Amino acid sequence: NAGVTQTPKFQVLKTGQSMTLQCAQDMNHNSMYWYRQDPGMGLRLIYYSASEGTTDKGEVPNGYNVSRLNKREFSLRLESAAPSQTSVYFCASMKDGANYGYTFGSGTRLTVV
Amino acid sequence: QKEVEQNSGPLSVPEGAIASLNCTYSDRGSQSFFWYRQYSGKSPELIMSIYSNGDKEDGRFTAQLNKASQYVSLLIRDSQPSDSATYLCAVTGGGNKLTFGTGTQLKVEL
Repeated sequence: NAGVTQTPKFQVLKTGQSMTLQCAQDMNHNSMYWYRQDPGMGLRLIYYSASEGTTDKGEVPNGYNVSRLNKREFSLRLESAAPSQTSVYFCASMKDGANYGYTFGSGTRLTVV
Repeated sequence: QKEVEQNSGPLSVPEGAIASLNCTYSDRGSQSFFWYRQYSGKSPELIMSIYSNGDKEDGRFTAQLNKASQYVSLLIRDSQPSDSATYLCAVTGGGNKLTFGTGTQLKVEL
């Protein structure tokens, strides 16, 4: 079982460039999430998807878009990267019912210069 | 604003001692509580979950929950250098979403 797979692991972008972070899970989970983690700020929710075809904003959605392509895949897009988006991005999924907690992907370390 | 508060540390304990990590939360409606361990440069890993008041033990780990005081704690017995990591407290918010604390850095010294 691969669990939650994120690509790429590392990326450097120039200000204004765009990119898509990919996330796929093989656990048949309905719920998927994108978080960013910054020093001293903890994990902050960007967007989430409770099921295929639905997405909702989290705490820090500005500058991002998401697509829930199917039950397995949930991508995060930066349309015009800014230095403030330099961060570590984690995708996570969760089995239905809030008692199970998240399974996280390995993360993407993004630097915007 | 729903908040989860943790002391950032570092918390230093000698090898073999008990490490006590604490977390408070603001949303009285929270039902599920989790502890994640995160090694430097790695992703968070779920180590404990607790849903009812009282203690829950799993090996060297014990989670404690007091909903009246809005307090969750994690005890690590016989601390080992491999336990050195950042420990994240998380609680359920609205729907199937978790709100995380900023984490407590634990250092287990030889």
